[in-house]
Amino acid sequence: AQRVTQPEKLLSVFKGAPVELKCNYSYSGSPELFWYVQYSRQRLQLLLRHISRESIKGFTADLNKGETSFHLKKPFAQEEDSAMYYCALSSAGNMLTFGGGTRLMVKP
Amino acid sequence: DAGVIQSPRHEVTEMGQEVTLRCKPISGHNSLFWYRQTMMRGLELLIYFNNNVPIDDSGMPEDRFSAKMPNASFSTLKIQPSEPRDSAVYFCASSSARTSGSHEQYFGPGTRLTVT
Repeated sequence: AQRVTQPEKLLSVFKGAPVELKCNYSYSGSPELFWYVQYSRQRLQLLLRHISRESIKGFTADLNKGETSFHLKKPFAQEEDSAMYYCALSSAGNMLTFGGGTRLMVKP
Repeated sequence: DAGVIQSPRHEVTEMGQEVTLRCKPISGHNSLFWYRQTMMRGLELLIYFNNNVPIDDSGMPEDRFSAKMPNASFSTLKIQPSEPRDSAVYFCASSSARTSGSHEQYFGPGTRLTVT
């Protein structure tokens, strides 16, 4: 069975500091991974997906199959990055398995 | 497209009452998902439908919860009778692997349910 683990429930950094939100997965097939973001009291929205290999709002994430990880990184955090971040794994039937989420707080 | 639409946005009800949450997926999407979000448990998948057919309802907490999708543009999640522990934000999401080739899900704004 697939599983997504986000080991940190809360990550607090100062503005301008680098940030890394960790995500590890277990899945027997070929994974398709996503990062979703939820700003305060808003809907979840897709931040990025590994197949696009894109950078959104300065965030990047690289799929490391050897370490089964998909960590989200940004070199310089901004206050507006404060939000809840969910890592998700796609499996058969369009299902997404979400991690427990990490709340990022960027302090001024 | 207006995106996934959910109603009501907020619902406050008394324990024992019936609650019905509604969702309109994005037109053309063939998969629909109901999630529950709480501080303690994060985001939990309750049930999902493919082409209006329930595929996996293993996340539905108990018999008090039921979900239907009578047609491709409408779904309901019903709780009867409601209990205080059902208080949460309920999200609906839809997706279509046919159109995007990927499994991205589009979320609605959620319904914040409070059961007193």
